[in-house]
Amino acid sequence: GENVEQHPSTLSVQEGDSAVIKCTYSDSASNYFPWYKQELGKRPQLIIDIRSNVGEKKDQRIAVTLNKTAKHFSLHITETQPEDSAVYFCAPADQTGANNLFFGTGTRLTVIP
Amino acid sequence: DAGVIQSPRHEVTEMGQEVTLRCKPISGHDYLFWYRQTMMRGLELLIYFNNNVPIDDSGMPEDRFSAKMPNASFSTLKIQPSEPRDSAVYFCASSQDSLVQPQHFGDGTRLSIL
Repeated sequence: GENVEQHPSTLSVQEGDSAVIKCTYSDSASNYFPWYKQELGKRPQLIIDIRSNVGEKKDQRIAVTLNKTAKHFSLHITETQPEDSAVYFCAPADQTGANNLFFGTGTRLTVIP
Repeated sequence: DAGVIQSPRHEVTEMGQEVTLRCKPISGHDYLFWYRQTMMRGLELLIYFNNNVPIDDSGMPEDRFSAKMPNASFSTLKIQPSEPRDSAVYFCASSQDSLVQPQHFGDGTRLSIL
């Protein structure tokens, strides 16, 4: 099955600084790479995703970059704000489902005002 | 769209009792997932359905857990008998037409087994 790891597990940044979270995976068949944000006591929500035919995708302050050769993808948040404080999960997937749809262990981001 | 709807939002019951969690996926979504979230084990996939058919239940912890999807708009996750270690937040999610589409999560059921 898939082995999914996120680094770091916790991250604290000053408001306005950038944050980067990395997700490594083992299944070379993975071709869909989403990031979910979960605020305290709330449900996970998709914030950005990328597919294997694209290397980078940006949506305002959020971007995702993919390195399929090295089997990792990263979430980049620029100009962080206190409302970015949450737990972020990666969940690489492929249509066969053989990797059992693992979510990463999560990264707790704290943005200090 | 109302999103994925789960009930109840909170459930507190004594060990040994039967617990039934309910989920209504987004209309038109073909895939439905049940997850369990704890501090120790993170977000774990328990089972998922495609067009009401269970596809992978390898994440179901033991025989005390069962899930059904009698039609496209309703699914249940049942625990019988419940144990304190089953205490967790249980999420239901749905996606449109493949495993490589965004999953839309419900608000979850916070289950406490005393």
